[in-house]
Amino acid sequence: KAGVTQTPRYLIKTRGQQVTLSCSPISGHRSVSWYQQTPGQGLQFLFEYYSETQRNKGNFPGRFSGRQFSNSRSEMNVSTLELGDSALYLCASSPGGAWATNEKLFFGSGTQLSVL
Amino acid sequence: GESVGLHLPTLSVQEGDNSIINCAYSNSASDYFIWYKQESGKGPQFIIDIRSNMDKRQGQRVTVLLNKTVKHLSLQIAATQPGDSAVYFCAETHNNDMRFGAGTRLTVKP
Repeated sequence: KAGVTQTPRYLIKTRGQQVTLSCSPISGHRSVSWYQQTPGQGLQFLFEYYSETQRNKGNFPGRFSGRQFSNSRSEMNVSTLELGDSALYLCASSPGGAWATNEKLFFGSGTQLSVL
Repeated sequence: GESVGLHLPTLSVQEGDNSIINCAYSNSASDYFIWYKQESGKGPQFIIDIRSNMDKRQGQRVTVLLNKTVKHLSLQIAATQPGDSAVYFCAETHNNDMRFGAGTRLTVKP
């Protein structure tokens, strides 16, 4: 079974631009969640989608958004990029019934975003 | 505010020894805890989890201990191998919010 796939692997943008990252979950998984990882703040939860609906959300500004398609693939978007948005963005998939309560997450390798 | 933290940022052990990685949490209402392993260039990988109604859970070469009295979580790795070298971090969940510790870098010396 293929794992979680994230594209692109690396991305360089400049301040003020916007970016879209993509995540394909493991086949059959209906929950996709997104995380930001930086050396300073560590790993932080962004949001979680299930059946095309944002079900849970972390404490990030509205510039960070996402969506999920009917095939469970998900995208996240960051608008008006800031230098501090430079990070590794990870997505994870899980079957979906019990995200954050009793369900193993399967992570992709991430998209490394650099904002210049 | 609430936080999840680790006592040590780095840990170096000899191959074959046992490793203990610690994590402190401050939200006494957290009900689910997970340990992840992250190797360089890869995403985190689930190692083991434990619910708040348990004190101990064992997996293959790994054991997680939960001490709710002092809000402490530990990961024990038996007979540490070079392939165990990675960053390990804990996570806690409560009310559909997930928070992660900063991570401990484990280095296994041959």
